[in-house]
Amino acid sequence: GNSVTQMEGPVTLSEEAFLTINCTYTATGYPSLFWYVQYPGEGLQLLLKATKADDKGSNKGFEATYRKETTSFHLEKGSVQVSDSAVYFCALIGSSGGGADGLTFGKGTHLIIQP
Amino acid sequence: DTAVSQTPKYLVTQMGNDKSIKCEQNLGHDTMYWYKQDSKKFLKIMFSYNNKELIINETVPNRFSPKSPDKAHLNLHINSLELGDSAVYFCASRNSGQATNYGYTFGSGTRLTVV
Repeated sequence: GNSVTQMEGPVTLSEEAFLTINCTYTATGYPSLFWYVQYPGEGLQLLLKATKADDKGSNKGFEATYRKETTSFHLEKGSVQVSDSAVYFCALIGSSGGGADGLTFGKGTHLIIQP
Repeated sequence: DTAVSQTPKYLVTQMGNDKSIKCEQNLGHDTMYWYKQDSKKFLKIMFSYNNKELIINETVPNRFSPKSPDKAHLNLHINSLELGDSAVYFCASRNSGQATNYGYTFGSGTRLTVV
């Protein structure tokens, strides 16, 4: 079956530091890949996505590139802010799935940015 | 207008009780989901409904019974609540006619605490 593995948290960084959150996946075919963010006390928001190899998703200064050869979708940001503190989830949906397929999530990475 | 709304936002109840969580979406989507987020933030799909028909039913105790009166609503009824049912439950929706790379829209979650 499909699975997503993320680096364990919490990850604590100082403001303006460079961020990388690793994500690797196992799936057949060509899944679509997502990063979701959950701010404290809130629901999940789509941060960015990529649907085929070498695609780069980007939003709010965050980027992730779909790497088929390493089955990875690492999240990066050049300069983090305190407001980026949240839990980040890597997720996928398989290419063979029907329209009602659900997302498979990683376990989430709690990011803490200190001023 | 809230796209996916869940009620209640918080629910505290005693073991053995029966409770329901409601979800409504006004996006015109035909597929709705319930996800459970445990205390370690791990998200796992529970159910998926497409046009009121059950599509996904993961390994969930039969004390959990989803009900979809129409494609805009997916309610979750839980019988004989147990301590381990304490979690945040998220409703989500999407349109199955769209490509899988279209994002899912999540509700803000219902925090269930069983005491």
